[in-house]
Amino acid sequence: EAGVAQSPRYKIIEKRQSVAFWCNPISGHATLYWYQQILGQGPKLLIQFQNNGVVDDSQLPKDRFSAERLKGVDSTLKIQPAKLEDSAVYLCASSLTRGVYYEQYFGPGTRLTVT
Amino acid sequence: DAKTTQPPSMDCAEGRAANLPCNHSTISGNEYVYWYRQIHSQGPQYIIHGLKNNETNEMASLIITEDRKSSTLILPHATLRDTAVYYCIVGSYNTDKLIFGTGTRLQVFP
Repeated sequence: EAGVAQSPRYKIIEKRQSVAFWCNPISGHATLYWYQQILGQGPKLLIQFQNNGVVDDSQLPKDRFSAERLKGVDSTLKIQPAKLEDSAVYLCASSLTRGVYYEQYFGPGTRLTVT
Repeated sequence: DAKTTQPPSMDCAEGRAANLPCNHSTISGNEYVYWYRQIHSQGPQYIIHGLKNNETNEMASLIITEDRKSSTLILPHATLRDTAVYYCIVGSYNTDKLIFGTGTRLQVFP
């Protein structure tokens, strides 16, 4: 089966610019996650969707980050305006709605560099 | 914050067993131990999980101490492809909330 797809793989922007990342989860996976991974640290959950509804966005910096999941499939994460500290890898993951929630399938990530 | 403690790095010779320890002294009775790994430039990948009994699958074995305060992930015959960061995570049954620490960077050498 096809894995979680993310694009772009790399992005370099200047601070105060905006950027958007795209994620296409595994077919049939209703739960979608966005993680932020700063260099040297483990991934940190930003937001979790169940179909097209938000389950958990407690760690999302809502003044600059937004995410949506239209039609319960693809998702977009946006940062506007970006700060230097947003430099990180942004990982998308998905899991089945029923059964094995702990087994999340991760995409390759988007490496964002803010200069 | 992560509820586990892992050594920052370990080395292992190719073909030998890699034993990765994890301390989770504050684990509660209904919490499981989950292991993920992250190969360079890839997202994390689920390996195995357990409650109190030893577990084995095609990727690894998980040994949990009787008091459940620590566990060891065993890769029986490490290969160069096993070079990765290994994360030990404690969470409730079938949790969807994975709290990653900094993990153990395992380097397998020829």
